[in-house]
Amino acid sequence: NAGVTQTPKFRILKIGQSMTLQCAQDMNHNYMYWYRQDPGMGLKLIYYSVGAGITDKGEVPNGYNVSRSTTEDFPLRLELAAPSQTSVYFCASSQEGYTGELFFGEGSRLTVL
Amino acid sequence: AQSVTQLDSHVSVSEGTPVLLRCNYSSSYSPSLFWYVQHPNKGLQLLLKYTSAATLVKGINGFEAEFKKSETSFHLTKPSAHMSDAAEYFCVVSVGNDKIIFGKGTRLHILP
Repeated sequence: NAGVTQTPKFRILKIGQSMTLQCAQDMNHNYMYWYRQDPGMGLKLIYYSVGAGITDKGEVPNGYNVSRSTTEDFPLRLELAAPSQTSVYFCASSQEGYTGELFFGEGSRLTVL
Repeated sequence: AQSVTQLDSHVSVSEGTPVLLRCNYSSSYSPSLFWYVQHPNKGLQLLLKYTSAATLVKGINGFEAEFKKSETSFHLTKPSAHMSDAAEYFCVVSVGNDKIIFGKGTRLHILP
C-alpha cells in the first residue's frame, strides 16, 4: 500500500541550480499539496491542486512551480535554487480537501549551498 | 481570521505518566480540528479529527482530545505515555475547504 511517494529523499544543490521534486499518490485523491517545513515553524503551503489541470498558489509560492497533468502526479519545480529554499518538503493528498485527512509522503530534505 | 497556538514547544514526561499537549485556536466559524503526529524523519500521520459530531474525540494509540468551545481549546491527552510516543505533534485548524493552518508543533520527550 504505497500511499504518497516522494523522490528524492535527500538532495544537495548549488545556488542557481534547478531541480524537480517528484510526488505520486495511488489513492485517486483529487486534492494534492506541497508544504515546506522549517524548524519551529510548522508547515507552510507552497502550492496546491484540486484536480488534474488545476493548480493554485499557497502561502509561500515564490521560487517554485508546479504542474498537475494527471491525478496521480504533482511535481514541484525549484528554479534558480537559493539558500532560503533549504528545507524539508512534504507532499500530501486528500480525498475531502481541508475537511478531511491529509496523507503525507515521507519528505524530501533539500540543502542549497 | 483563523489561527492556532500550541502553548508548549517541548514537553517532557516520564514513561507511564499522563501526557497533555495544549492547543488553542481562533476561528470565526465552526472549525474542523486535527492532531497529527510526526515521528523522526517521517511524514505526518493523523491522530484524530474533530468535526462537531462529539466534543471528546478518540484517536489512534490511546490518544484523545476534547473540544471546548468556551475555552477555544483542543488539548491532546493520553493516560499513560509510552516510549514510542516520542515525536512531534501538530494541532491543525481548517474552516471549510478554504484554508488550513498548522501550529508550530510540540516535541514530546519520554523519560525512561
